[in-house]
Amino acid sequence: GQNIDQPTEMTATEGAIVQINCTYQTSGFNGLFWYQQHAGEAPTFLSYNVLDGLEEKGRFSSFLSRSKGYSYLLLKELQMKDSASYLCAPELNSGGYQKVTFGTGTKLQVIP
Amino acid sequence: DTGVSQDPRHKITKRGQNVTFRCDPISEHNRLYWYRQTLGQGPEFLTYFQNEAQLEKSRLLSDRFSAERPKGSFSTLEIQRTEQGDSAMYLCASSSRQGVNYEQYFGPGTRLTVT
Repeated sequence: GQNIDQPTEMTATEGAIVQINCTYQTSGFNGLFWYQQHAGEAPTFLSYNVLDGLEEKGRFSSFLSRSKGYSYLLLKELQMKDSASYLCAPELNSGGYQKVTFGTGTKLQVIP
Repeated sequence: DTGVSQDPRHKITKRGQNVTFRCDPISEHNRLYWYRQTLGQGPEFLTYFQNEAQLEKSRLLSDRFSAERPKGSFSTLEIQRTEQGDSAMYLCASSSRQGVNYEQYFGPGTRLTVT
């Protein structure tokens, strides 16, 4: 929904770095969430970006470019447990209120 | 454990029955969201509350769905006359915004199966 575009699947090797890109509509844009979701579980909050630039949180970093409608999630030193879906979720102003909507997610498989 | 709880965790019901789900958000969070998620899809927005006020409801929702948040605390989502297409995971999330810091946490979800 809301023209959120992220790759459907990605594969990366344990110990490597992977970047998951997301583009979204810029109209009414407030900020952007990234979530991790393991199969059968609820999404887990990773980050929220509202300002341009890179924010680092341990092995995970998230980048935002408001003018380009572009964000990415960077995962370093990949571990097998990082195999999950990663959801990009922009927060948009809608009718005077802020609404968070989700893309379909990127399924990341980490291989040995 | 994010601090957001949902009850029940699983619900199996027959088509045509009514079901009600409960969400208890993190106590200091003023915003509460309901989402629905089916296999292979991201969470789909249903509705959200700021305190006790329901600010928006998805146009995708039929009149069979209703949500409340009395006193701005816990929330309930009711589905009347359930249909097989209602089978999904129903997720609740609560959030708090402080300046540029904004965190939104999900509960474990209620998995609904309509037979």
